[in-house]
Amino acid sequence: EAGVAQSPRYKIIEKRQSVAFWCNPISGHATLYWYQQILGQGPKLLIQFQNNGVVDDSQLPKDRFSAERLKGVDSTLKIQPAKLEDSAVYLCASSLGLSLHYEQYFGPGTRLTVT
Amino acid sequence: SQKIEQNSEALNIQEGKTATLTCNYTNYSPAYLQWYRQDPGRGPVFLLLIRENEKEKRKERLKVTFDTTLKQSLFHITASQPADSATYLCALDIKSYIPTFGRGTSLIVHP
Repeated sequence: EAGVAQSPRYKIIEKRQSVAFWCNPISGHATLYWYQQILGQGPKLLIQFQNNGVVDDSQLPKDRFSAERLKGVDSTLKIQPAKLEDSAVYLCASSLGLSLHYEQYFGPGTRLTVT
Repeated sequence: SQKIEQNSEALNIQEGKTATLTCNYTNYSPAYLQWYRQDPGRGPVFLLLIRENEKEKRKERLKVTFDTTLKQSLFHITASQPADSATYLCALDIKSYIPTFGRGTSLIVHP
């Protein structure tokens, strides 16, 4: 079974530029998560999708971050414009359903450096 | 406010000993608690799930306890090996289905 795919693995941009990350979850997984993980901290949930609908985006900085999952499969997270504090690893995860009753499968992450 | 606490200091133990990691939480009544392992440069990997009505769960050398009165989960690795060295994260559902992770505890097993 293929795991969660993410691209790119690494990205370096200057502040005020834009960047986009892509995630392809495990086939059949209805729930998709985007997390931000700053060095030395745990993953922080940015947005959670159930199929193509948003379940929670309360911690997504909506003035600069956006995410979509148009066909209920793969997803894109965008930052525009980037700030220095956005430097982090962006993790995508998927699971069979809502709640921690289901285990989350994580991708390898995209390491973003904003200079 | 709601809070999850994991020991920020690394836990250093000798090979063969039992490692015990702690996850404390406040102002939650989680239905589920999960433990994950994360290696450098990789995404977290699921290890164990325990429900609020379960006291203990085991899987091979791993054991998790969940005390909803103390608001604490303990994660044990028996007969630890250098390959167990990693960061261990706990995760709870704060609002039915919104996962929140602790910052993780680094475990270092010395040969």
